[in-house]
Amino acid sequence: DAGVIQSPRHEVTEMGQEVTLRCKPISGHDYLFWYRQTMMRGLELLIYFNNNVPIDDSGMPEDRFSAKMPNASFSTLKIQPSEPRDSAVYFCASSLGDRGLRRNTEAFFGQGTRLTVV
Amino acid sequence: KQEVTQIPAALSVPEGENLVLNCSFTDSAIYNLQWFRQDPGKGLTSLLLIQSSQREQTSGRLNASLDKSSGRSTLYIAASQPGDSATYLCAVHSGGGADGLTFGKGTHLIIQP
Repeated sequence: DAGVIQSPRHEVTEMGQEVTLRCKPISGHDYLFWYRQTMMRGLELLIYFNNNVPIDDSGMPEDRFSAKMPNASFSTLKIQPSEPRDSAVYFCASSLGDRGLRRNTEAFFGQGTRLTVV
Repeated sequence: KQEVTQIPAALSVPEGENLVLNCSFTDSAIYNLQWFRQDPGKGLTSLLLIQSSQREQTSGRLNASLDKSSGRSTLYIAASQPGDSATYLCAVHSGGGADGLTFGKGTHLIIQP
């Protein structure tokens, strides 16, 4: 497997524009996570899905952020409208749930999308 | 709310030394703990995963220990090499229905040739 694939790797956009980040999890994984990394706050969980269903979006900073997972092999994180303070590296990760205990195991991360909003 | 702290924040040592990176967490009710490596401008590479029932895991020159009751983990790197230079992140998977990872801020490690 090619691992978790994110696109684009870099995105530069103007304030107010819509930004869409994409993620393809590892095939067979049933958990998908979106994280954001900044110098000040480190890595923070934004939202995660289990079997394509959003489970916890309490980390999403504002209503400007939204995430979808229309199928098991694709997820998007959208920011509309974008603001300079959204500049960060956004990571997608996936893992395989422990069927018996209904919790996930080792997490694998994509290469990230570096977002710059000017 | 789970909090993860890593000490030291930065470390610079000469090649060949054995070193220890520390991680502490506030809520001992965890499912597992994972150590990652992050190179500049890159993603996170999983190094070791320790389940809550385990005391340690080893992979090559890396050894991670877990003391869940005291809320601590250490990552031991033997015979360090310049290629080990990176940021090392500790993350815990907590219970109570929270399925994401809580990360520390990392230890930035430089191995001098």
